[in-house]
Amino acid sequence: EDKVVQSPLSLVVHEGDTVTLNCSYEVTNFRSLLWYKQEKKAPTFLFMLTSSGIEKKSGRLSSILDKKELFSILNITATQTGDSAIYLCAVLNYGGSQGNLIFGKGTKLSVKP
Amino acid sequence: GAGVSQTPSNKVTEKGKYVELRCDPISGHTALYWYRQSLGQGPEFLIYFQGTGAADDSGLPNDRFFAVRPEGSVSTLKIQRTERGDSAVYLCASSYGLAGPQGDTQYFGPGTRLTVL
Repeated sequence: EDKVVQSPLSLVVHEGDTVTLNCSYEVTNFRSLLWYKQEKKAPTFLFMLTSSGIEKKSGRLSSILDKKELFSILNITATQTGDSAIYLCAVLNYGGSQGNLIFGKGTKLSVKP
Repeated sequence: GAGVSQTPSNKVTEKGKYVELRCDPISGHTALYWYRQSLGQGPEFLIYFQGTGAADDSGLPNDRFFAVRPEGSVSTLKIQRTERGDSAVYLCASSYGLAGPQGDTQYFGPGTRLTVL
């Protein structure tokens, strides 16, 4: 059965800390891995990763994919209270033309002032 | 441009009633997806449209759930004889649907929180 596992499930840090969120997957027809930030209801797109070893970076956030070991990490440096959210990892299951996203349960990040 | 919009934002109904949830995708996106998210869980796939047709409806839990996209843009998710277990946030997403990586990114709407009493 296809699955995506995120760890930790929750994390509490203080402003200025650096955090690493983990995502491992077992998906039969892997096409790409996506990270989303969910603050209220709508997941907001962060990164899409398709190739191993190529870091994607946006401000204080960065992510990398390892297709051999089947995992990805999302790093956030110098965390701010506005980073508090649920971070979702999803793998695009490619069957036919386009596929559906298989999500992990998310990591709930709380950044305290 | 405008993002994915969903209406209503909240819907409270009684067990056994019929509900319709609407999704308006990003203009130009040919692929549209419905997901359901229960508390403490990641979104779970329900159905995917490419244009007007349902390309994959394998995630629909049973025949009480049905979705349409008659003109290839707006989609409606319909739930008959609602049950308390249907309570969740229903998320809609859209993408370009191109045969390439740039079509892979799905952009989500704010969701509809459905509560069945």
